[in-house]
Amino acid sequence: AQTVTQSQPEMSVQEAETVTLSCTYDTSESNYYLFWYKQPPSRQMILVIRQEAYKQQNATENRFSVNFQKAAKSFSLKISDSQLGDTAMYFCAFTDQGAQKLVFGQGTRLTINP
Amino acid sequence: GAVVSQHPSRVICKSGTSVKIECRSLDFQATTMFWYRQFPKQSLMLMATSNEGSKATYEQGVEKDKFLINHASLTLSTLTVTSAHPEDSSFYICSATGGRGLTGELFFGEGSRLTVL
Repeated sequence: AQTVTQSQPEMSVQEAETVTLSCTYDTSESNYYLFWYKQPPSRQMILVIRQEAYKQQNATENRFSVNFQKAAKSFSLKISDSQLGDTAMYFCAFTDQGAQKLVFGQGTRLTINP
Repeated sequence: GAVVSQHPSRVICKSGTSVKIECRSLDFQATTMFWYRQFPKQSLMLMATSNEGSKATYEQGVEKDKFLINHASLTLSTLTVTSAHPEDSSFYICSATGGRGLTGELFFGEGSRLTVL
């Protein structure tokens, strides 16, 4: 079974700083997808970024980028120039093409301080 | 982007009653919908996967007779918590995907908070 592990329950940084959230996963599949979701206090799940395992290039979305290390099964999220609105729970998630369902990590509560 | 709507957003019920939560895809046809449960300060746990027109597939440990899931149309899935008890109090979230599955994109509803007294 696939598992996703986020080893940082909480993180806190100052506004405008850069922060990196860690995620590791375990799978025997070769083709799969990885995601980072944001859950603000409203509880609405928001897709931050996604990475296809067959792509070697790391995905980027504006201030958000990932460091995807397939051999190490690591998928970290970097948030640059952090903003107060980035305060939220962040979940790393995995799916393989066949299962069509997401497996979530435990989450990291990120607080951006003014 | 695509919108998935859940209703109600909050519901309070008495122990022993049944509660129905709706999940609608507003601007696309959702061939597959997923129901998750989230306890306070915890992650999302998949409860079941429902495909339009067929029986839902439940995850291990989820009581199918307790959590009835119906996906009668391409835009609507419902979760009914039967004979609810206080331990069923939780945040329930649905998500939906179109025909390409998760190689496309998964859209989440706003969630429904159930409180059983």
